[in-house]
Amino acid sequence: DAGVIQSPRHEVTEMGQEVTLRCKPISGHDYLFWYRQTMMRGLELLIYFNNNVPIDDSGMPEDRFSAKMPNASFSTLKIQPSEPRDSAVYFCASSPGLAGEYGELFFGEGSRLTVL
Amino acid sequence: AQSVTQLDSHVSVSEGTPVLLRCNYSSSYSPSLFWYVQHPNKGLQLLLKYTSAATLVKGINGFEAEFKKSETSFHLTKPSAHMSDAAEYFCVVSYRSSGNTPLVFGKGTRLSVIA
Repeated sequence: DAGVIQSPRHEVTEMGQEVTLRCKPISGHDYLFWYRQTMMRGLELLIYFNNNVPIDDSGMPEDRFSAKMPNASFSTLKIQPSEPRDSAVYFCASSPGLAGEYGELFFGEGSRLTVL
Repeated sequence: AQSVTQLDSHVSVSEGTPVLLRCNYSSSYSPSLFWYVQHPNKGLQLLLKYTSAATLVKGINGFEAEFKKSETSFHLTKPSAHMSDAAEYFCVVSYRSSGNTPLVFGKGTRLSVIA
């Protein structure tokens, strides 16, 4: 399996523009997670899905952030409008089962977002 | 609330010397504990996990960790550091009693290895 695939790997945009990050989880994994990583705040869970259904989006910072999972093999994280403080590395991860039982998240290589 | 504390934000060791990265977790009757590693510009990768079987857990690349319930600790060790071990390490906890609970990540410890 190719692992979790994220695109784009790098994105530079200007404040106010819409940003869409994409993720393809590992086939057969029921759970998909979006994380954000910054130097100041470390790794933060934004939202996670189970069987394409959002379970917990309490980590989504503002209404400017939205995430969808239209099918088992694709998810998007959208920021509209983007702001400089959204600059971070955004990770997508998938898991074959309950986090407590299996414990292993498979991470993509991340999308580095810079908002000017 | 569940939490995990990594006691050192940065650890520096010489190549060939032992590595100790410290982690403490908030008490729970059935935690699962993990160590993840993140190399520069890469995603996180599982090093090892404890899920109530043997208290001494062996992982990849010669790392191991010991679950000590009395100390609520899960420290990561390696007998001899290699240059390729330089990375960020995350201690992670999950509580099965809470059902489907996403993993709680520590702040991370950056390991530097000096030649």
